[in-house]
Amino acid sequence: DTAVSQTPKYLVTQMGNDKSIKCEQNLGHDTMYWYKQDSKKFLKIMFSYNNKELIINETVPNRFSPKSPDKAHLNLHINSLELGDSAVYFCASSQEHAGVLLNEQFFGPGTRLTVL
Amino acid sequence: GQQLNQSPQSMFIQEGEDVSMNCTSSSIFNTWLWYKQDPGEGPVLLIALYKAGELTSNGRLTAQFGITRKDSFLNISASIPSDVGIYFCAGLLGGYQKVTFGTGTKLQVIP
Repeated sequence: DTAVSQTPKYLVTQMGNDKSIKCEQNLGHDTMYWYKQDSKKFLKIMFSYNNKELIINETVPNRFSPKSPDKAHLNLHINSLELGDSAVYFCASSQEHAGVLLNEQFFGPGTRLTVL
Repeated sequence: GQQLNQSPQSMFIQEGEDVSMNCTSSSIFNTWLWYKQDPGEGPVLLIALYKAGELTSNGRLTAQFGITRKDSFLNISASIPSDVGIYFCAGLLGGYQKVTFGTGTKLQVIP
């Protein structure tokens, strides 16, 4: 059983398009995240949701909009894609209590986004 | 913002050799984590450290939480080909604070 799954695994699109990446976790965790990994492999957090509530919103262009319909899902929608958005996007989940991380973050397999 | 610098940036070693890598921060953390990322996959947690000075092992891996709380070290003994990958340190302050990842150490093992 896949713990954290993302779709699609690969996404190639033209500049200016709007696209979405979906993430689902079946671990029963209450916190989910989106990370961006650039070409130099640097991992940077973008968003964090706890029980469908936005907790962390790093300095990310407002073209990026996360949506959490329920605790098990955190989708990422990107408007007006730019060349610089090309990267690998990782979803992750963890269990927290009163702001304390109780266990490790489990990462999805990543979505490689290429903007042409 | 906080930055975690890892060194070395990359290393080539012979199978069977021991490996050491470290991670330093400009500010303190309450938790240090070490992850490994295989090509085409997401990072997987190897070791978690929760107390300054703590030394924890996981098989051939040993990690230490620096006494200043601004650094951490990871050692891999008797490396094998499947150790190849990128190793990331990560620091966590707590209280819904984000996990900050290091710059990564790319390890290549020559059989």
